[in-house]
Amino acid sequence: EGQLEESGGAPVQPGGSLRLSCAASGFSLSDYWMGWVRQAPGKGLEWVANLKQDGGEEYYVDSVKGRFTISRDNTRNSLHLQMRRLRVDDTAVYFCARLGFNSLGAFDIWGQGTTVPVSS
Amino acid sequence: DVQMTQSPSTLSASVGDRVTITCRASQDIYTWLAWYQQKPGKAPNLLIYKTSALESGVPSRFSGSRSGTEFTLTISSLQPDDFATYYCHQYNSYSTYSFGQGTKLEI
Repeated sequence: EGQLEESGGAPVQPGGSLRLSCAASGFSLSDYWMGWVRQAPGKGLEWVANLKQDGGEEYYVDSVKGRFTISRDNTRNSLHLQMRRLRVDDTAVYFCARLGFNSLGAFDIWGQGTTVPVSS
Repeated sequence: DVQMTQSPSTLSASVGDRVTITCRASQDIYTWLAWYQQKPGKAPNLLIYKTSALESGVPSRFSGSRSGTEFTLTISSLQPDDFATYYCHQYNSYSTYSFGQGTKLEI
């Protein structure tokens, strides 16, 4: 049916930058809207960003606007999240997820997550 | 932005019980509401989309319903595998998704 695998999570200091990647297999990334969702330690899920199939529309939660950029490389079946000016409250597990056709926009496939600890 | 208020935050129940979890949206999201199950250390798993449509492979003891801006997830007869945390998710617009705070279902 399809799988997603995130990578790139690593400890980073406040004010630093990090780029997360998400590799898709078993389906063509170019057919789907894709998104990122994060989960701070012991907390709930927070939507971060969505990106249209052709990259022509991108949307963000207010707390990351101007700092994070979602992008995709459909030729390599990969999704990315460039994170800049990181803050302690960006500490979370970051999941990439597919907005499904059948689910009409709900996240039907998720990666296992990659951890980003932001600390001095 | 649409705020989702989920209740209760914790729910204690037993195998065989019927349980309900509720989410209230701060504005009309029509039927654009999904439910996920998450177990510790794992990614969320889609259970229900568009208020009441069961995702493929999800047991029929899970069901969803709506009354205005209030949405309900019902588990008709709890099984041991159902003890987990559940989240509602509104997706009325690609530009602004949001999740409820979560409900931890415990024995």
